[in-house]
Amino acid sequence: AQTVTQSQPEMSVQEAETVTLSCTYDTSESDYYLFWYKQPPSRQMILVIRQEAYKQQNATENRFSVNFQKAAKSFSLKISDSQLGDAAMYFCAYRSARQGGSNYKLTFGKGTLLTVNP
Amino acid sequence: EAGVAQSPRYKIIEKRQSVAFWCNPISGHATLYWYQQILGQGPKLLIQFQNNGVVDDSQLPKDRFSAERLKGVDSTLKIQPAKLEDSAVYLCASSFIPASSYEQYFGPGTRLTVT
Repeated sequence: AQTVTQSQPEMSVQEAETVTLSCTYDTSESDYYLFWYKQPPSRQMILVIRQEAYKQQNATENRFSVNFQKAAKSFSLKISDSQLGDAAMYFCAYRSARQGGSNYKLTFGKGTLLTVNP
Repeated sequence: EAGVAQSPRYKIIEKRQSVAFWCNPISGHATLYWYQQILGQGPKLLIQFQNNGVVDDSQLPKDRFSAERLKGVDSTLKIQPAKLEDSAVYLCASSFIPASSYEQYFGPGTRLTVT
């Protein structure tokens, strides 16, 4: 079974600064997807960024980028120019790339609570 | 495009009572998921539907939890009887299958408190 570990329960950053959230995972599969989800206090989970394991290039979405190290099974999220609206719980998640059935489920880490200080 | 809808948003019940949650996925999404998110933890999948059939319910406590998806659209999750440890946020998510579009879209959740 796959597991996802987020070792930082809480992080804080000054507005306009950069912060990196860590995630490691364990899997025996060679092809999979990794995600970062954001959950603001209203609780609606929003996809921030995703990475396909077969791609060597790290994904970027505006101020959000990842550092994907497949051999090390590491998947960190970097938030640049942090904004007050970035304050939320961030979850790292894993999904198998196998087709069909229960392979589409997400396995989540415990989350990192990010505080942005003005 | 309307998002995933859930109701109620909050529910407080006493232990041994029953409760039901409702979810309406995004139109056209064939796959529907129910996750349980206990405070301080990440969401855990309880059950996954493909249209109106169950794909994965391996982590559903079947002695007290049940779920159905009527006509492959709306879904209800029921707990009977509730225990204190069922206090959590219950998240519904949906995705379009075939899996060329693999993003799961989440609803706002239902926060259940069992006293």
